[in-house]
Amino acid sequence: SYELTQPPSVSVSPGQTARITCSADGLPKQYAYWYHQKPGQAPVLVIYKDSERPSGIPERFSGSSSGTTVTLTISGVQAEDEADYYCQSVDNSGTYVLFGGGTKLTVL
Amino acid sequence: EVQLVQSGAEVKKPGATVKISCKVSGYTFTDYYIHWVQQAPGKGLEWMGLVDPENGETIYAEKFQGRFTVTADTSTDTAYMELSSLRSEDTAVYFCAAGVLRNSPGDHWGQGTLVTVSS
Repeated sequence: SYELTQPPSVSVSPGQTARITCSADGLPKQYAYWYHQKPGQAPVLVIYKDSERPSGIPERFSGSSSGTTVTLTISGVQAEDEADYYCQSVDNSGTYVLFGGGTKLTVL
Repeated sequence: EVQLVQSGAEVKKPGATVKISCKVSGYTFTDYYIHWVQQAPGKGLEWMGLVDPENGETIYAEKFQGRFTVTADTSTDTAYMELSSLRSEDTAVYFCAAGVLRNSPGDHWGQGTLVTVSS
């Protein structure tokens, strides 16, 4: 079955750059979406279609894609960025939505 | 302003059925797909399925097929999900989300509804 693989955790100090990867286990690669989620809250979309940023999302959030891996980059991490981050895509038939297992970003 | 307001928390016994509503406002109901996402306590997000309010078309994740139903009532701009034959593993927060794309829940989410399955 098609899966999205993320590292369970990433830790960075304030002001540093955090990179969270998401690897798809097959082709064709579909667009990726990224959400962050804080405890007790609904997810918030921070990147869509690999690298587009919704209105209202700070410029420090960016996305990129290479092969079957997509990366969420947070430049100049702030304490408020501490959250769980999920990548999301669809399977290789383009029918079923999938989420990665999530990455806990800790701001030291 | 786009808003999705879900019904309140539920406590159900094993084997029962739960029905959750998702009332939308701030946009044309038929313009967005309604996705449903499950999150078990301390776990990640799991996509359950979607409904296209324009024509009632549904897609269900394989894991939930057979006991999960989603509907959309265009007269009240409300989407519903129903999960039957509940078991303890169904204890979770359930989110609805409105996405302009079929392949992504998008950036408008409900507040979540906690369903607790316990005897």
